[in-house]
Amino acid sequence: GAVVSQHPSWVICKSGTSVKIECRSLDFQATTMFWYRQFPKQSLMLMATSNEGSKATYEQGVEKDKFLINHASLTLSTLTVTSAHPEDSSFYICSARRTGGFYEQYFGPGTRLTVT
Amino acid sequence: QKEVEQDPGPLSVPEGAIVSLNCTYSNSAFQYFMWYRQYSRKGPELLMYTYSSGNKEDGRFTAQVDKSSKYISLFIRDSQPSDSATYLCAMSSDGNKLVFGAGTILRVKS
Repeated sequence: GAVVSQHPSWVICKSGTSVKIECRSLDFQATTMFWYRQFPKQSLMLMATSNEGSKATYEQGVEKDKFLINHASLTLSTLTVTSAHPEDSSFYICSARRTGGFYEQYFGPGTRLTVT
Repeated sequence: QKEVEQDPGPLSVPEGAIVSLNCTYSNSAFQYFMWYRQYSRKGPELLMYTYSSGNKEDGRFTAQVDKSSKYISLFIRDSQPSDSATYLCAMSSDGNKLVFGAGTILRVKS
């Protein structure tokens, strides 16, 4: 149990376009989901925390108008990178915390975004 | 100084060895501790999670937390080549925001 999926697994887009990444908890409900970013050979950095039905909470330095997060259901959160630029190229990973569970977070397989 | 320090390795051991992975931290408010395993180009896989101090065992894995020393460990018994991966420690003060270590690369040689 506790499987999290992401779609797409990789995407290439042109500079100036927007890209949407989906994160789904497949076998549990997740009131809270998290979005992380990971650069090559670096660890994960939290971008934002989203709670179902509420606005996301962004970490300091993360542009909320650029990284739009929607958590409309207990099993789905989306991250939209708007007007993407090459510096947005990265590995984006979501995690989910089980509703009624303790504190452990289960991670998705990640989405590799390349902006050309 | 980083909040969480973790030796990046690589740590190379022979198959069957006991592996010891460690992290130190500076924030005394951390009380939730987790260990993840990450293969190249994949998302992290949760291995162990503990709350506050103490030990926890699950199969070949044992997690230890010493809050007085701000030091956590993960032990892997009977290591296998399939254990070769990057191991990340992560911790939180409120159960929400996880602060990760840099990750230790482990290589188990057959």
